[in-house]
Amino acid sequence: DIQMTQSPSSLSASVGDRVTITCRASQYISSYLNWYQQKPGKAPKLLIYAASSLKSGVPSRFSGSGSGTDFTLTISSLQPEDFATYYCQQSYTTPALTFGGGTKVEIK
Amino acid sequence: QVQLVQSGAEVKKPGASVKVSCKASGYTFTDYGISWVRQAPGQGLEWMGWISTYNGNTKYAQKLQDRVSMTTDTSSSTVYMELRTLTSDDTAVYYCAREEGTMVDYWGQGTLVTVSS
Repeated sequence: DIQMTQSPSSLSASVGDRVTITCRASQYISSYLNWYQQKPGKAPKLLIYAASSLKSGVPSRFSGSGSGTDFTLTISSLQPEDFATYYCQQSYTTPALTFGGGTKVEIK
Repeated sequence: QVQLVQSGAEVKKPGASVKVSCKASGYTFTDYGISWVRQAPGQGLEWMGWISTYNGNTKYAQKLQDRVSMTTDTSSSTVYMELRTLTSDDTAVYYCAREEGTMVDYWGQGTLVTVSS
């Protein structure tokens, strides 16, 4: 099974900061990597698909990069509504999916 | 608009079974598969399995394959997930989600299943 490892597991940042979250796959997954945002008590929301494609309606301050085994999610200028938990997810083995452990972004 | 509406919260005793429904609307039901994902309190997301709404084919997570079943009813655009022999470790919010190619693009609102004696 493919394992997905996110780092850090949590971070504290201020409004306006640039934030980077990393995700590493235990084996090659090409660009089959998606990113989700989840707020407390809500279902996850798709932000980025195929490693770097922004879902329609998602603010352009979110971006994704990477391929193979190493990926990053970047928030260029953190906004108050961005405080949430972020998950990566591999779909190389679709329909079987694997999620990373999550990164909680908190207010400094 | 695409909507996935799940059944309500459940409280079950250890050893019992639970069946959660997920009714889809706003798109052609048989064009997309449905995955089930669960989230234990304070924990991350765990993929449980997937069902093709086109032909009923399924794929389950290895750790659950002996206890989980997913079925589809095209007449009502509804998918069902049944989990048997419940333990306290199964206490979680259960989500259905539409799988579009290689991404999950729409999610249900979640169903809390509590297992307690």
